[in-house]
Amino acid sequence: AQTVTQSQPEMSVQEAETVTLSCTYDTSESDYYLFWYKQPPSRQMILVIRQEAYKQQNATENRFSVNFQKAAKSFSLKISDSQLGDAAMYFCAYRGTGTASKLTFGTGTRLQVTL
Amino acid sequence: GAGVSQTPSNKVTEKGKYVELRCDPISGHTALYWYRQSLGQGPEFLIYFQGTGAADDSGLPNDRFFAVRPEGSVSTLKIQRTERGDSAVYLCASSPRTGGINEQFFGPGTRLTVL
Repeated sequence: AQTVTQSQPEMSVQEAETVTLSCTYDTSESDYYLFWYKQPPSRQMILVIRQEAYKQQNATENRFSVNFQKAAKSFSLKISDSQLGDAAMYFCAYRGTGTASKLTFGTGTRLQVTL
Repeated sequence: GAGVSQTPSNKVTEKGKYVELRCDPISGHTALYWYRQSLGQGPEFLIYFQGTGAADDSGLPNDRFFAVRPEGSVSTLKIQRTERGDSAVYLCASSPRTGGINEQFFGPGTRLTVL
């Protein structure tokens, strides 16, 4: 079974600075998809960024980028120019390519953004 | 357009009672997912529908949990003989297609409290 590990329960960053959230996963599959979701206090999960494992190029979405290391099974999220609105829980998630379409989530990292 | 909606937003019930949680997916989305998020944890998969049929119900914890999607749109998660351990946020998500890099769009969840 696939597992996703987020080893940082909480992180803090100053406004306008850069922060990196860590995620590792375990799988025996060679092709899969990885996601970062943001969950603000409203509870609604919002997709931040996604990566296809067969693509070597790291995904970027404006201020958000990933460092995908397939051999190390690592998928970290970098947030540049942090804003107060970035404060939330961040979840790393894995999805395989088989018939099972479910997401497997990590336990999350709470990001605080300070002035 | 409208996103995924879930009702009720909050539900308080007594141990042993029956509850129904409703999910309205985004119009036209064929795939629908239920997840359960316990306090301090990431969401955990419960069940996935492709159209009207449950394609994967491997995450349902026991036979007290049941879900339906009779017309391939709205889904209802039903919990019989509720227990205090069922207290959690129940999240619903929908996707236009299954698998791949397709994004799952989440609703705001129903917070279930079993007294």
